[in-house]
Amino acid sequence: EVQLVESGGGLVQPGGSLRLSCVVSGFTFTTYAMNWVRQAPGKGLEWVSSISGSGGTTYYADSVKGRFTISRDNSKNTLYLQINSLRAEDTAVYYCAKGGYYQYFFDHWGQGTLVTVSS
Amino acid sequence: EIVLTQSPGTLSLSPGERATLSCRASQSVRSTYLAWYQQKPGQAPRLLIYGASSRATGIPDRLSGSGSGTDFTLTISRLEPEDFAVYYCQQYDNSPWTFGQGTKVEI
Repeated sequence: EVQLVESGGGLVQPGGSLRLSCVVSGFTFTTYAMNWVRQAPGKGLEWVSSISGSGGTTYYADSVKGRFTISRDNSKNTLYLQINSLRAEDTAVYYCAKGGYYQYFFDHWGQGTLVTVSS
Repeated sequence: EIVLTQSPGTLSLSPGERATLSCRASQSVRSTYLAWYQQKPGQAPRLLIYGASSRATGIPDRLSGSGSGTDFTLTISRLEPEDFAVYYCQQYDNSPWTFGQGTKVEI
């Protein structure tokens, strides 16, 4: 059974930083791209970032480019999102999502971790 | 960036009725790299359809996807109580991968 478990969310002041983690199990981690998708309260889904199976290729939404960094540790089956220079508009539930086989749709999702940016 | 526009915003139907949800892209989505997701309140999204028309594992055949180019459709042939939710389309042809704004299917 595929499982994705996020952690690391919380309340942070504007300008602050957090590192989100996503531990996965139930599939061969190195084979699949991994992704972060967020959802602001009461809003729709917004793709944030993706990373290839090897970790060699990364993609970012323009809204987070230069502030967020996606990475993965294939030895630990763990995906990360380092989020810096946080803004109020980054407040959202952040979901970790497994990609399809060499395709960037999202076939399994974690339960999400809430990031709240407020002073 | 490919912009996806979903219509209608809200669909009010009864169990047993047919639901037709539309997703229109601002430019052609090559190779039908389009997916559909369902989200219920307080839950993570769930993949329904990928490749425009391929059902994900465990998705019943009353749900079907169709379309190509710029026009895509998700059809639910006979609504069951568990189908009342918000539905999103997503293109994964070109980065940035983008979602539509969602269609709410309500009773």
